[in-house]
Amino acid sequence: DQQVKQNSPSLSVQEGRISILNCDYTNSMFDYFLWYKKYPAEGPTFLISISSIKDKNEDGRFTVFLNKSAKHLSLHIVPSQPGDSAVYFCAAPSSGTYKYIFGTGTRLKVLA
Amino acid sequence: DAGVIQSPRHEVTEMGQEVTLRCKPISGHDYLFWYRQTMMRGLELLIYFNNNVPIDDSGMPEDRFSAKMPNASFSTLKIQPSEPRDSAVYFCASSYGSNYNEQFFGPGTRLTVL
Repeated sequence: DQQVKQNSPSLSVQEGRISILNCDYTNSMFDYFLWYKKYPAEGPTFLISISSIKDKNEDGRFTVFLNKSAKHLSLHIVPSQPGDSAVYFCAAPSSGTYKYIFGTGTRLKVLA
Repeated sequence: DAGVIQSPRHEVTEMGQEVTLRCKPISGHDYLFWYRQTMMRGLELLIYFNNNVPIDDSGMPEDRFSAKMPNASFSTLKIQPSEPRDSAVYFCASSYGSNYNEQFFGPGTRLTVL
């Protein structure tokens, strides 16, 4: 079964600097890998995805990198803003269509 | 659209009681997911439905948990009997088949079992 690990439970970054959130998975899959953002008392919201056939996907200040050989996913936020303070979940595809396994999340705090 | 609607938002119950969580997915979405969030395990997929049919319930922790989707606009997750270790935030999410990698989550139900 797919396992997803986000080994950093929390991260603090100064406003304007780069935030790098990391994620490791166990099973190679031909599908999309996802990042979700979650604010307190709200449900997670989709942030950005990357196809397994790509190495990089960029959307404004957010860039996701996929290193398939290392089975590693990372999310870069540049420049970081206080409004980016949230919990970030990565998700990897599992066996069975439409099934995603989420990590435990990384709490990002961007300091003004 | 109002988004995914969950009720109640908070539920406090005593051990042994039955708990029913409710979800109304976004109209037109054909996939519905139930997740549980805990500090230790993060977001766990419990079960998901496609066109009201359960597809994968391998994440349902025990027989005490059951989920139904009687129609395209309503789903329930029931815990009977509830136990303190069931305390968590339960999320419902829905998606549309051709855009399946973007799931729309509800605000969640915070369940506390005393």
